[in-house]
Formats: sequence, C-alpha cells, structure tokens
Amino acid sequence: NAGVTQTPKFQVLKTGQSMTLQCAQDMNHEYMSWYRQDPGMGLRLIHYSVGAGITDQGEVPNGYNVSRSTTEDFPLRLLSAAPSQTSVYFCASSYGGSNTEAFFGQGTRLTVV
Amino acid sequence: ILNVEQSPQSLHVQEGDSTNFTCSFPSSNFYALHWYRWETAKSPEALFVMTLNGDEKKKGRISATLNTKEGYSYLYIKGSQPEDSATYLCALPAAGGTSYGKLTFGQGTILTVHP
Repeated sequence: NAGVTQTPKFQVLKTGQSMTLQCAQDMNHEYMSWYRQDPGMGLRLIHYSVGAGITDQGEVPNGYNVSRSTTEDFPLRLLSAAPSQTSVYFCASSYGGSNTEAFFGQGTRLTVV
Repeated sequence: ILNVEQSPQSLHVQEGDSTNFTCSFPSSNFYALHWYRWETAKSPEALFVMTLNGDEKKKGRISATLNTKEGYSYLYIKGSQPEDSATYLCALPAAGGTSYGKLTFGQGTILTVHP
C-alpha cells in the first residue's frame, strides 16, 4: 500500500541552490497538489494539477515550478532556494476533486540556510 | 481565497472528557467540507467529507455536523483518549474550471488529551 510517496524526507539547501521534491502516487488519482506548512499558517497550496499536462497556481506559487507529464508523478522544483522557503512540504492526491478526500505523503522538511 | 477559520486554536482536556471545536466558512458557493486529523510526525488523514446541509457523520467516538446555511461545522470527540491528541484541520474546496478541488485549509485546532 504505497499511496503517496514523497522524497526526500529531509533536505538542507544553501541559498541559491535548486532542487526537486519528488511526489508519486499509485492510486491513479487525477488530482495532485503541493502544500507548505508553516507555524501558525496552516497548510497553504503552492501548485495544483487536475491531470497530466494540466497545472495551476495556488496561493503561494512564487519560487516554485511544477509539471505533470504522467498521472503518477508531480515533482516540485525550487529554482533558487531562499530562507523563506524553509518549511514542511506535503504532496497530496485525490480521485475526484471537491467531494473526495485527499491522501497525503509523509512530508519533506526543507531547511534553507 | 476562501476564509476558513477554526476555533479554538488549541485545547487541553483530560482523558475521558468530551470536547468539540468549530470550523467556520463562507456560506455562499459551498461545495464540500473536509475534516482531517494530523498526528505529530505523520501526515494528515481524512476523517470526513461532508457535502449536504444537516449532514452528520460518525467514526467511532468522533462525529461531525454541518450547517451550510450559517457556514459552520462542528467536530465532536466523545470520551477523549490520549491517542486523540492531534491537530484537527478543516478544509474547503473551490470549484469551477481548473480551480476544481483546490483545498483551502483552516489553521487547525491542536488537541492535547492528558492522561
């Protein structure tokens, strides 16, 4: 029962470095999302996809890129890491959008120094 | 961006107490409301997805009600146990076009149950 798999679980980056957070799901879900969680802020949507080839911006998209070439994978790219991107990142997927529950990955704790 | 508010922000109860907390949201353009439980060092897990006014859902000692006309949902925990300690999140999806299914989360209620 893999569900939603995120890698890595922990990462330390230097300011200006780039990296990709990986997210894969094996449930054939069309909808996938990336959230960041900061103290006192709850979960905030970064980017969103309703299917392969279709992505949309969320509430806090600046500094991040996404693409969705397959149904299974939805990587999140940090182009030039900044300390403000220190956060815990969660990937989620769902089958049908609004009326179906989201399944979350285990999270990636990212520190930018 | 939807305005989703949860109260209280945190709650400390004794084992065996019953407790409840609130999720408030705009009553217009309602599509669904999600409740998630988020335990420390784990990922959020869905408790309920509610769609109809007057909906009442139950899972073990946890239940939830929904009032879409006045824009609130209550989550109840009966006879709290230490393993109920977690952050409880509510979320509402937007709908329409490519916004369909985007979730806006409240800040959560942190529940601590003391033995």
